[in-house]
Amino acid sequence: AQKITQTQPGMFVQEKEAVTLDCTYDTSDPSYGLFWYKQPSSGEMIFLIYQGSYDQQNATEGRYSLNFQKARKSANLVISASQLGDSAMYFCAMRDVRGYQKVTFGTGTKLQVIP
Amino acid sequence: EPEVTQTPSHQVTQMGQEVILRCVPISNHLYFYWYRQILGQKVEFLVSFYNNEISEKSEIFDDQFSVERPDGSNFTLKIRSTKLEDSAMYFCASSEGGTTTGELFFGEGSRLTVL
Repeated sequence: AQKITQTQPGMFVQEKEAVTLDCTYDTSDPSYGLFWYKQPSSGEMIFLIYQGSYDQQNATEGRYSLNFQKARKSANLVISASQLGDSAMYFCAMRDVRGYQKVTFGTGTKLQVIP
Repeated sequence: EPEVTQTPSHQVTQMGQEVILRCVPISNHLYFYWYRQILGQKVEFLVSFYNNEISEKSEIFDDQFSVERPDGSNFTLKIRSTKLEDSAMYFCASSEGGTTTGELFFGEGSRLTVL
């Protein structure tokens, strides 16, 4: 069974600093996808970044990068140059790519950016 | 940019009443999902739907829940007899399938309040 663990319920970061949000996962499938979603206080789920289990390079999307360490089964999100608008809940999630079935979410990390 | 749309954005109902939440997935997507998020908690998988049938469901998705794709565009979640604990945000999502990143595109959610 898939399992996603986010051990940081809350994080603070100074504006313009970088921050790393931790995520570890557990799966017996060799083929899987890892995601990060942002959920602001308004409630919508915003896709940030994706990493496939066979991707050779770490994914990057603008100020977001995914530090993928396959052997450690970790997929940490790095946000560079934090902005006040980055304050939100962040969810790590995993999907079995072969089956295209459900995405399993972690419990989330609430990030607050301090001016 | 194509998007997943959900109606209603907020519904208040009495315990025991039937509720139907509606979703219009992105038109060329093949996989459809419902997720639930109780206030302040994690995003929980309810059900996935592919090729006009349920492909997977969670233990939450009991006989009180059903899904339907009545025409080529809508995807509905029905709760037959609502309970207080069904109060939550319900997210519809869709994905393309095939060999893409498998990103889930989420709607903005339908907030259900059961009194």
